[in-house]
Amino acid sequence: GQQVMQIPQYQHVQEGEDFTTYCNSSTTLSNIQWYKQRPGGHPVFLIQLVKSGEVKKQKRLTFQFGEAKKNSSLHITATQTTDVGTYFCAGPFGGTSYGKLTFGQGTILTVHP
Amino acid sequence: NAGVTQTPKFRILKIGQSMTLQCTQDMNHNYMYWYRQDPGMGLKLIYYSVGAGITDKGEVPNGYNVSRSTTEDFPLRLELAAPSQTSVYFCASSELAEQYFGPGTRLTVT
Repeated sequence: GQQVMQIPQYQHVQEGEDFTTYCNSSTTLSNIQWYKQRPGGHPVFLIQLVKSGEVKKQKRLTFQFGEAKKNSSLHITATQTTDVGTYFCAGPFGGTSYGKLTFGQGTILTVHP
Repeated sequence: NAGVTQTPKFRILKIGQSMTLQCTQDMNHNYMYWYRQDPGMGLKLIYYSVGAGITDKGEVPNGYNVSRSTTEDFPLRLELAAPSQTSVYFCASSELAEQYFGPGTRLTVT
């Protein structure tokens, strides 16, 4: 079945440093979503990318969708302590465009003040 | 709007017991989902529903059952609980891509 892998599993940074997490799918995706989960909390939707090569920005966060629509990345510029949490990518499976999502295992980000 | 609510927040079950995890959403979303999240892992889809009366299996449905009699409610039933079902369970709903998650139920089976 479809697999979605994320690297790294953990990332420790000093406040102000940049952070990047990478997501790779075993199959071509119709779209990819990113979620953030704060410690002890629930996943919160960040963004959806649909087009090949798409780049979207949300303040200090930059999301990219690969040309082949099999990989994606999330880059955070100048991390802050509020960025702490686990970042997940997720892609639809089973022939759907959304709904049935396969999640990556997540990247846990720790930010040291 | 309360969004997606789940009860209970915590539960300890003995092996072989049964229980129902409740999930309610007030956003009139057609799609609803149940996930489990094991420590250090991503979320695994257990069951999902595209509307009242329609449910289907996800990646890890064994040991669970669901029903969807109304748009708002999507309960998850555990029969004959096993230690492997110790996990955090999240319910979610959506209309299109963005999924809205509930606060989760932390379940321990001993």
